[in-house]
Amino acid sequence: AQSVTQLDSHVSVSEGTPVLLRCNYSSSYSPSLFWYVQHPNKGLQLLLKYTSAATLVKGINGFEAEFKKSETSFHLTKPSAHMSDAAEYFCVVSGPSGSARQLTFGSGTQLTVLP
Amino acid sequence: NAGVTQTPKFRILKIGQSMTLQCTQDMNHNYMYWYRQDPGMGLKLIYYSVGAGITDKGEVPNGYNVSRSTTEDFPLRLELAAPSQTSVYFCASSPSGSGETQYFGPGTRLLVL
Repeated sequence: AQSVTQLDSHVSVSEGTPVLLRCNYSSSYSPSLFWYVQHPNKGLQLLLKYTSAATLVKGINGFEAEFKKSETSFHLTKPSAHMSDAAEYFCVVSGPSGSARQLTFGSGTQLTVLP
Repeated sequence: NAGVTQTPKFRILKIGQSMTLQCTQDMNHNYMYWYRQDPGMGLKLIYYSVGAGITDKGEVPNGYNVSRSTTEDFPLRLELAAPSQTSVYFCASSPSGSGETQYFGPGTRLLVL
């Protein structure tokens, strides 16, 4: 079994300040982990993914995430927020290879960027 | 490539009506998925397919049916619409299964009254 907990349903930051979106996971095997972003009335877009290579993963638009097995965390960060970053962000954990149905989404974190 | 396309973008149904949500991908992906997203929630898997002619249930399949006659198309059918099916529906595809990036369509917003 696997689960994902996004620790904040809403995060508000000022433009130019750092972003931290927190995600903890639970899995009985070595998972693949993803962050997706959803802009209003749009589909989901992949930001980055971790698949047991480097623990620090760099994604698009300056985002990165660090896989910490000891803390079962996969927090998403960005050094400097931009207005265009305002969106909903989903942390996703994927099951072992071949188990297509075992994709579990977090409940999402709404990021607001203030001018 | 158009990626994953979905039609319609928005639909209002009356209780008991039926409809088909269309999904097409042009990336020659084997795996396709249907999700629903309710307000304030993450996505929940309805059905998925690992290739033409093969489908399987996800987490919330009740009230829905799917078919996969071609690699490109994966329609989702609602036979007797209920208010509980009011949601946003997303179709996605991936080259293979778990661990692969899924590519999402823009979604279909469905309102059942």
